[in-house]
Amino acid sequence: GQQLNQSPQSMFIQEGEDVSMNCTSSSIFNTWLWYKQDPGEGPVLLIALYKAGELTSNGRLTAQFGITRKDSFLNISASIPSDVGIYFCAGQLTGNQFYFGTGTSLTVIP
Amino acid sequence: DTAVSQTPKYLVTQMGNDKSIKCEQNLGHDTMYWYKQDSKKFLKIMFSYNNKELIINETVPNRFSPKSPDKAHLNLHINSLELGDSAVYFCASRRSGLNTEAFFGQGTRLTVV
Repeated sequence: GQQLNQSPQSMFIQEGEDVSMNCTSSSIFNTWLWYKQDPGEGPVLLIALYKAGELTSNGRLTAQFGITRKDSFLNISASIPSDVGIYFCAGQLTGNQFYFGTGTSLTVIP
Repeated sequence: DTAVSQTPKYLVTQMGNDKSIKCEQNLGHDTMYWYKQDSKKFLKIMFSYNNKELIINETVPNRFSPKSPDKAHLNLHINSLELGDSAVYFCASRRSGLNTEAFFGQGTRLTVV
């Protein structure tokens, strides 16, 4: 299967700081998605990106679909304690193939 | 209203047993998936079904047999459970085609002892 490399693997930040994480692949994707997973729960969709170069915001979250279609970025501004969790990127190739990144574990220190 | 629901949420069983996990979605989607999340939190696709037909089988041992009785259900049956099968299994669904998102269930934590 496809491997999406996500970095950083983990982050420890102070409340109020901004966060950036990215996802890269050797394959060209048609769709990039960003999910958040809380402990004991399933991944929840945060942002969906459908076009190369697209920049989309959802509250304090902003994500971009890389122009090469091989990468995507997620930024979180002014982090708060409830931002804690694991963030996953996911990419869609043609058809039904959907693959996840390796995850970024975020810890916010009050 | 739960969109994608899995049962059971927790499953503890002995090696060698056979067990099933059920998944149902009420979103009207035609594509459903099973993912396995290991202890390192990596989400690996196992199977994908579209309109009850198997589309993706990512080199999963044949002890794992998915069954889709209709578009709203995708169950996972596991024979002869092994210690290495311990993981969290997630069901997901989406509408087929481009520019659609996948929605996940809450997961089933399987522990094989």
